[in-house]
Order: sequence, then C-alpha cells, then structure tokens
Amino acid sequence: QKEVEQNSGPLSVPEGAIASLNCTYSDRGSQSFFWYRQYSGKSPELIMSIYSNGDKEDGRFTAQLNKASQYVSLLIRDSQPSDSATYLCAVNKWQGGKLIFGQGTELSVKP
Amino acid sequence: GAVVSQHPSWVICKSGTSVKIECRSLDFQATTMFWYRQFPKQSLMLMATSNEGSKATYEQGVEKDKFLINHASLTLSTLTVTSAHPEDSSFYICSARDRSASAKQYFGPGTRLTVT
Repeated sequence: QKEVEQNSGPLSVPEGAIASLNCTYSDRGSQSFFWYRQYSGKSPELIMSIYSNGDKEDGRFTAQLNKASQYVSLLIRDSQPSDSATYLCAVNKWQGGKLIFGQGTELSVKP
Repeated sequence: GAVVSQHPSWVICKSGTSVKIECRSLDFQATTMFWYRQFPKQSLMLMATSNEGSKATYEQGVEKDKFLINHASLTLSTLTVTSAHPEDSSFYICSARDRSASAKQYFGPGTRLTVT
C-alpha cells in the first residue's frame, strides 16, 4: 500500500461544475495535509493546507480532512479551464519531516 | 511572500561535465530545503533533504557523490550534478520550508537539465 494514494485520472468535468479530488493516506499519525497544483512543465504551487478535521475554504477551493477515515479531499467550485492541471496531495507526518506525495490526479475542465 | 527562486531555469551541458543549480528563498528563512527530480508524466521524486549548516540526507538510491548538496545559509542551497550523463536529464525542483510556518513547503520554478 502506498503511503499517499490518489486516483491518477484523468478527471474530466465541464466548466462551472464542481471538481472533487480525493486522497487517502496510510499513517494515522500524519499531522499536516496539503494540496498542490502543477501545470504541465511547471513546478508545484501550494493551494491549500489543512491541519484539523473538517472543512477549510479559500475562494473556490475547499479542503476537507477526516482523520478517522484517513481521507483528505479538495473541492473546486465553478471549475474553469484554467484549473486544468495535475493536483498533488501531500502529507507530512511530523512538522520537521518531509512531505509524502501522492502520484497526482490530472484534472481536465472542458469549456 | 514565500517566493523561492532557482537558477538557471534551464541548462544544456555535455556528458561528463558538472552542473550547479541554485535554490534561494527570497523573502523567508528556510532551515530546510528539499531537492526533487521529476521525469515526464511522472510524480515528484525526493532526492535529498538539505538542512542549513549540516550534511544533506539522501533518499535511498540517490548517489550522494553524484548529486552534491550544499546548504550554506538560511536562504541558499545548491545542487551540483557531477559527471552528468544523458540519463540525468530531468526537471530538478527545489522546495523550501518556511521556519516560521508549520510544515509548509514552497517550490522553486524548477531547472530543466538536458545532458547531450
């Protein structure tokens, strides 16, 4: 079992719809959770961080964390073609440690 | 805020030569920097963790004598690819952890290395 798992996709949604990206992790003691967006040929960009159970909203993005289920998700409302990218879920076991990345989910938003 | 720069953004070198890549945190102090490599259509692969003033910690399978890392200050880490070979051609990305913000890592724009 991989430490952080994501569906590789591609996930295709129409413009204006909600895109739902999911991630599961294996280490129950993980403390910090992040979503990065990576456009083709570019480096990852941090878009959301979440540390406690529940929802965290930032503009069109909502991160959801459920530690009991070891599950973290990212919702993108009113999806735009410019949101088309690969979304990487990353988990940090402890504050000083390294990030463990999932393999990424490719999102395609169709006009 | 939280800007990380890399230099150069791309480089072409001949097989057998060495290439140095710089990673700088521009507006924050980074006690820890990370070096990743990414091949086309693949996920990030962590190569090493670099702590200011100490030796880097390399991931399993990464040759420390080939990929030399120096973290001389709180804002600068360098990766030197020694005796480069065509199979070292890849996208090298650094990230820096802001010592004042819990666990967040910010990525540099990456360096595309092509070895001919």
